[in-house]
Amino acid sequence: DADVTQTPRNRITKTGKRIMLECSQTKGHDRMYWYRQDPGLGLRLIYYSFDVKDINKGEISDGYSVSRQAQAKFSLSLESAIPNQTALYFCATSALVGRGKETQYFGPGTRLLVL
Amino acid sequence: QQQVKQSPQSLIVQKGGISIINCAYENTAFDYFPWYQQFPGKGPALLIAIRPDVSEKKEGRFTISFNKSAKQFSLHIMDSQPGDSATYFCAASDPGSARQLTFGSGTQLTVLP
Repeated sequence: DADVTQTPRNRITKTGKRIMLECSQTKGHDRMYWYRQDPGLGLRLIYYSFDVKDINKGEISDGYSVSRQAQAKFSLSLESAIPNQTALYFCATSALVGRGKETQYFGPGTRLLVL
Repeated sequence: QQQVKQSPQSLIVQKGGISIINCAYENTAFDYFPWYQQFPGKGPALLIAIRPDVSEKKEGRFTISFNKSAKQFSLHIMDSQPGDSATYFCAASDPGSARQLTFGSGTQLTVLP
């Protein structure tokens, strides 16, 4: 079974709708992240959380919100979806492994289309 | 503001050839440089990583070369295989920014059989 799961895997929605993307992990990691991937732009950080009570904005947080419901669950919401939020969204988890080394483990992604 | 610049955007290599992907950075506080590999329909996965106290790290056919003075690092894939066809991302980590990873824009590698 996958260590990091994302639901849904694909979603089509309309402009103005509220949607939620969910992420669950079984790796026992404290750190969780949401990224979006766009062609030619790489992966850009939306929000990150280092524990249940810690939520931080990333590079492109406008238009998004998150909730860390438990150590293993981190959800991303688009309050009012707009077409330029059409992208591939990834959840990731990590744990520090000595001297600053940190491996992030990514989920399979959610492909979102906003019409 | 793109703190990690990656090139080329796409690369086509014959089987058995050498694939080279380059990255350059500006932030001298970066102290950990991983490369991630992403296959279609999958999330990125760590391939290999280096710290700036060494100039080269090799794992099998994959080598990172690091030039601290030039603020550049590159991924070399020796004896490239069709199974290496994927998108590759370089990244950099800054301890002063809670170890967030800053990713390059990605390189789509195609290895022809």
